[in-house]
Amino acid sequence: DTEVTQTPKHLVMGMTNKKSLKCEQHMGHRAMYWYKQKAKKPPELMFVYSYEKLSINESVPSRFSPECPNSSLLNLHLHALQPEDSALYLCASSQDRGLGYEQYFGPGTRLTVT
Amino acid sequence: GQQVMQIPQYQHVQEGEDFTTYCNSSTTLSNIQWYKQRPGGHPVFLIQLVKSGEVKKQKRLTFQFGEAKKNSSLHITATQTTDVGTYFCAGYRGSQGNLIFGKGTKLSVKP
Repeated sequence: DTEVTQTPKHLVMGMTNKKSLKCEQHMGHRAMYWYKQKAKKPPELMFVYSYEKLSINESVPSRFSPECPNSSLLNLHLHALQPEDSALYLCASSQDRGLGYEQYFGPGTRLTVT
Repeated sequence: GQQVMQIPQYQHVQEGEDFTTYCNSSTTLSNIQWYKQRPGGHPVFLIQLVKSGEVKKQKRLTFQFGEAKKNSSLHITATQTTDVGTYFCAGYRGSQGNLIFGKGTKLSVKP
C-alpha cells in the first residue's frame, strides 16, 4: 500500500468555524508533512512530524494546529481561518526525515474559507 | 536562505516536440528531486539525483544533475498528451530534509 489518504476532499467553512483535516498512511513511514498550495504555486511546507513529534513549524499562524495521534495519522485543526487561507492542503509522508527520502503526497483537501 | 529557481514558468508544445525545464539553486544541493503534478492532482515523485553530473532516464524522460550540483534539468523527448502537468524540482534545505520546491513549469501539449 503506497497510498496517502486525506479527508475530506473538499471543505467549505466560515471564519468562525472549527474543522479538522485528516491524513492517513499505512506505509510505516515515520515522517509526515502538511503543505499548503495556492493556485499556480508550488507546495509550501507548513509542519513536519518525525516519529510522531513536531519537528518543524514553518512560522504558521496559530489558527492552524497540527496533531499526530499515532504514526499513521496526521490531523490539521482549523479555527478562525481567513479567506486567504483558502488553498489545497496536502499531506505527505516519507520513510524518514532527512536527505534522500521521496515524499508520497495525498490527494489533498481543497479548502474554501468564506 | 536557499532558493530553488525554475524556468520556464510555462511551456506550450505541439505533440511530438521536445520539452526541457531547468532548475537552479543559489547554493549547492545535496540532492534534487523531481515531481509531477497533473491538473487537479497532487505531486507525484519522479526521481532523485544525488551525484555530481548524474544522468538518469525514465523512458522518454532524461534527468540531469549539474557538475557543481547547483542545477538540474528534465528533458522530455517527443511529448505526448499524457505528459501534461506541472513539473517541480525540489531541493533540500539543511541536513534535516525540508523540501523546497521550485515554482514549477507548467507543460501543455497540443495534440
